[in-house]
Amino acid sequence: EAQVTQNPRYLITVTGKKLTVTCSQNMNHEYMSWYRQDPGLGLRQIYYSMNVEVTDKGDVPEGYKVSRKEKRNFPLILESPSPNQTSLYFCASSPVRGLYGYTFGSGTRLTVV
Amino acid sequence: QKEVEQDPGPLSVPEGAIVSLNCTYSNSAFQYFMWYRQYSRKGPELLMYTYSSGNKEDGRFTAQVDKSSKYISLFIRDSQPSDSATYLCAMSGEAAGNKLTFGGGTRVLVKP
Repeated sequence: EAQVTQNPRYLITVTGKKLTVTCSQNMNHEYMSWYRQDPGLGLRQIYYSMNVEVTDKGDVPEGYKVSRKEKRNFPLILESPSPNQTSLYFCASSPVRGLYGYTFGSGTRLTVV
Repeated sequence: QKEVEQDPGPLSVPEGAIVSLNCTYSNSAFQYFMWYRQYSRKGPELLMYTYSSGNKEDGRFTAQVDKSSKYISLFIRDSQPSDSATYLCAMSGEAAGNKLTFGGGTRVLVKP
């Protein structure tokens, strides 16, 4: 089954404790992206990757890092999480940026206390 | 002003009614238009994908694009309780850097 897999689904952590949210896709898509979704603010792009070793900032990159060492994986790293990063996070992939429907993961609900 | 505007709802309709959703946008560079459905605690899933102006039908769903008015619509016929979800419009275009821009979503409730 074609899918984007995120882990974990739920995460509660404390301020400043580094964490990684994993994302993996099995569709051989070149484009991958991370979004956060907050009430009243909708989906906002954090980072995206056009291909292996090619990443770029989205609209809200502060406090986040990403890497793309393999085509299928695109982890999101929060090196020093803060409470304002409490949100619902989605990873998405597509054959090409913006021109086809994106396949989204099921989401990661992150709470930073 | 947001690039893509969408009424947040909620939009409540009785089962069997037609659900009418719409988005307006300001960037004339958008050429590709999509509708996503998002159930609670799930990721958005692609419902409809259209290019430029015109209509597209898929089962109970019809998407319309009016580029001259910068207005897109999604109609759901014979609505079912299982259609209760948040519907997000999204759009992109080469001249807009291929960035996919989302509306804020409209919450729809279909009551049995």
